Amino acid sequence: EVQLVESGGGLVQPGGSLRLSCAASGFTFSSYWMHWVRQAPGKGLVWVSRINMDGSDTTYADSVKGRFTISRDNARNTLYLQLNSLRTDDTAVYYCVKGGVDLWGQGTLVTVS
Amino acid sequence: DVVVAQSPLSLPVTLGQPASISCRSTQGLEFSDGNTYLHWFHQRPGQSPRRLIYKVSNRDSGVPDRFSGSGSGTDFTLKISRVEAEDVGVYYCLQGTHWPFTFGQGTRLEIK
Repeated sequence: EVQLVESGGGLVQPGGSLRLSCAASGFTFSSYWMHWVRQAPGKGLVWVSRINMDGSDTTYADSVKGRFTISRDNARNTLYLQLNSLRTDDTAVYYCVKGGVDLWGQGTLVTVS
Repeated sequence: DVVVAQSPLSLPVTLGQPASISCRSTQGLEFSDGNTYLHWFHQRPGQSPRRLIYKVSNRDSGVPDRFSGSGSGTDFTLKISRVEAEDVGVYYCLQGTHWPFTFGQGTRLEIK
């Protein structure tokens, strides 16, 4: 089955850290850019970060630059997002998205409080 | 950043009637490869977004043909020919031409 499954969300205090993971299956993970998108409670969708196929090119939204780090392990078909120096406005559901934006995970909730 | 403005933000529709959502961007969305990366998504409460339309007018697999997309440049439209109960939720347009990719604010469709 073609799917993305996120994990790693939870409750963390301001200034804390979390590492999100996204396990991909059913497609050739190493052939696609991958993205993280977030959605604050009751709000719209916001792009967070993207990474190219071999991990050599990464880009971030200004709001997370210097605090979040995207990475991938193509051998494990897994995408990561390291979240450091978390702030209350980082509270959101974080979605893993396949390049082409045709496949989204179910999301993992990060609560900073 | 490219701003993408959707309208209306709220759309009450009678079952069986048509609906239309507009998406306007502050910059043209044709990429250097000739493609226009403007996509439409539907999100039901508690669910992930699902892509309906990609590159302006291409329906995704399994999307009913009552959904159609059109437009060019900075002006795009999603149309539903006859709204059904399962169409409720929030619709988003996404521009994937300029980084950072940006979404419209969302249009909440409800049944009157």
